[in-house]
Amino acid sequence: GNSVTQMEGPVTLSEEAFLTINCTYTATGYPSLFWYVQYPGEGLQLLLKATKADDKGSNKGFEATYRKETTSFHLEKGSVQVSDSAVYFCALSPFSSNTGKLIFGQGTTLQVKP
Amino acid sequence: DAEITQSPRHKITETGRQVTLACHQTWNHNNMFWYRQDLGHGLRLIHYSYGVQDTNKGEVSDGYSVSRSNTEDLPLTLESAASSQTSVYFCASSVQGAHQNEAFFGQGTRLTVV
Repeated sequence: GNSVTQMEGPVTLSEEAFLTINCTYTATGYPSLFWYVQYPGEGLQLLLKATKADDKGSNKGFEATYRKETTSFHLEKGSVQVSDSAVYFCALSPFSSNTGKLIFGQGTTLQVKP
Repeated sequence: DAEITQSPRHKITETGRQVTLACHQTWNHNNMFWYRQDLGHGLRLIHYSYGVQDTNKGEVSDGYSVSRSNTEDLPLTLESAASSQTSVYFCASSVQGAHQNEAFFGQGTRLTVV
């Protein structure tokens, strides 16, 4: 079946540090891949996405590359800020489903200290 | 601006009571979803709808029901609330027809069953 696995958190970094949050997936065919972010007390919002192999999604300094050979979609940012503190979710939408159902990883909490 | 709103934001109820959580979207999206968020599990799909009068069970549908009488609303009903249903509930909507389309989330309802 389809599944998403994220690295365990919480992740605590100092401001301006480099961030990597690992995400691997299991799926048949060519799913679309997403990173959603949840700021404290809010709902999820799309951070970035990639819809085919080797695509790179990017937004607000965050990047992730769709790697089919390693079934991965790791999230990276070169220099984190305190305002990046949030919960990050990796998710996939199966190719066979054209109706937007999402399968989520367990989420990774990021805390950035000044 | 289009949006998706959930109500109430917080709810405390007693075991065995029927509870209904509201979700209203003004995106005019055909697809609507209910997820629950639990620590260590990420978000899991409860029920979803592809349009008026259409409802489908998700991964964790036992004890929940939905109805879709119009495009804008997908209320979630807990038939007889149980402590295991204490969770944060998120409603989402998306455009029909493409697995790469993003989902838009409400701000969530925190439900406590005592």
